[in-house]
Amino acid sequence: NAGVTQTPKFRILKIGQSMTLQCTQDMNHNYMYWYRQDPGMGLKLIYYSVGAGITDKGEVPNGYNVSRSTTEDFPLRLELAAPSQTSVYFCASGDSTDTQYFGPGTRLTVL
Amino acid sequence: AQSVTQLGSHVSVSEGALVLLRCNYSSSVPPYLFWYVQYPNQGLQLLLKYTTGATLVKGINGFEAEFKKSETSFHLTKPSAHMSDAAEYFCAVSEAGGSYIPTFGRGTSLIVHP
Repeated sequence: NAGVTQTPKFRILKIGQSMTLQCTQDMNHNYMYWYRQDPGMGLKLIYYSVGAGITDKGEVPNGYNVSRSTTEDFPLRLELAAPSQTSVYFCASGDSTDTQYFGPGTRLTVL
Repeated sequence: AQSVTQLGSHVSVSEGALVLLRCNYSSSVPPYLFWYVQYPNQGLQLLLKYTTGATLVKGINGFEAEFKKSETSFHLTKPSAHMSDAAEYFCAVSEAGGSYIPTFGRGTSLIVHP
């Protein structure tokens, strides 16, 4: 049981480039989430999904897009990367008691 | 609406001393309450949670927390700190049977001195 996996672990982007952060869970959870974590600022919710085909915006969705074509996968797309998107990104899945299971994170730097 | 306040962005204790990390919440409906721990360069992992039933909840690594409805608190304690407890701790609240979107506090960094 791998839990929640994320790729890549690290990435450096140039301003204006695009990339997709991958997230996969093997716990058959309906709920999945993307967060960003900046030093001293806690977690900010970017997007979430309550099931395949259903996504919704969180607190800080600008500059990001998501899709949920399967229960297992929830990729996060960054279009036209900006320095403000330098952060650590965490994917999580959630069970029916709202307990969240986090991936190891992707550390992104935009230069 | 729900919110979480963690008092103190940093807490420093000596090894063997009591650990107390404070969490207060607001919620318009009965809450689910959580504590997560984040070790350096890792994701968050669940320490313990309260959903229903007994208000004193025991978690991993000797931690426990008590849900006090009258005080809207869910403070995290451990009788004796260990060096390996040094980490970031996050309190979270969600609405029982509600939106499935927990709200996280800003986190408290626990520093353990030898």
